[in-house]
Amino acid sequence: EAQVTQNPRYLITVTGKKLTVTCSQNMNHEYMSWYRQDPGLGLRQIYYSMNVEVTDKGDVPEGYKVSRKEKRNFPLILESPSPNQTSLYFCASSPSGTFEKLFFGSGTQLSVL
Amino acid sequence: SQQGEEDPQALSIQEGENATMNCSYKTSINNLQWYRQNSGRGLVHLILIRSNEREKHSGRLRVTLDTSKKSSSLLITASRAADTASYFCATEDDMRFGAGTRLTVKP
Repeated sequence: EAQVTQNPRYLITVTGKKLTVTCSQNMNHEYMSWYRQDPGLGLRQIYYSMNVEVTDKGDVPEGYKVSRKEKRNFPLILESPSPNQTSLYFCASSPSGTFEKLFFGSGTQLSVL
Repeated sequence: SQQGEEDPQALSIQEGENATMNCSYKTSINNLQWYRQNSGRGLVHLILIRSNEREKHSGRLRVTLDTSKKSSSLLITASRAADTASYFCATEDDMRFGAGTRLTVKP
């Protein structure tokens, strides 16, 4: 089944403890991106990648890192999480190589205490 | 700020009625897309309309695009309770989503 898989679905952690949210797609998509969703603010793009080894900042990249070593995986890394990074995170990919007809993962609800 | 902004913020209708939501944007676009989000889940792509198209249909969905007014509308006909969700527009050029329109369809 074609899908974007995020793990974990829920994560509770403490301030400063490094964490990684994984994202994997099995559709051979070149474009992948990360979003965070907060009440009243909609979805905001964190980082995106047009291809392997190519990543670019979105609107809210501070406090996050990403890597794109292989086409299928696009992990989101929080080196030192803070409470203001408590949010619902989504990974997405696109078959067109650009921001078009995005496929979204099921989301990761992160709580930083 | 984001390019696509949805209006109204919330809409409540009865099952069987039509629902219309609007999206405005600021600059010229290549395409405009509509997505649906069921509570807390990932967004699902509904329909894409390109800048040289004026109207597009997909099942009970009808999307219009007016490039002179920089606006688009999404019409859901004969709504069902299962259409209850948030709806977002976004453009390829901006890669941003608005806050969405929260649609509630009452049985």
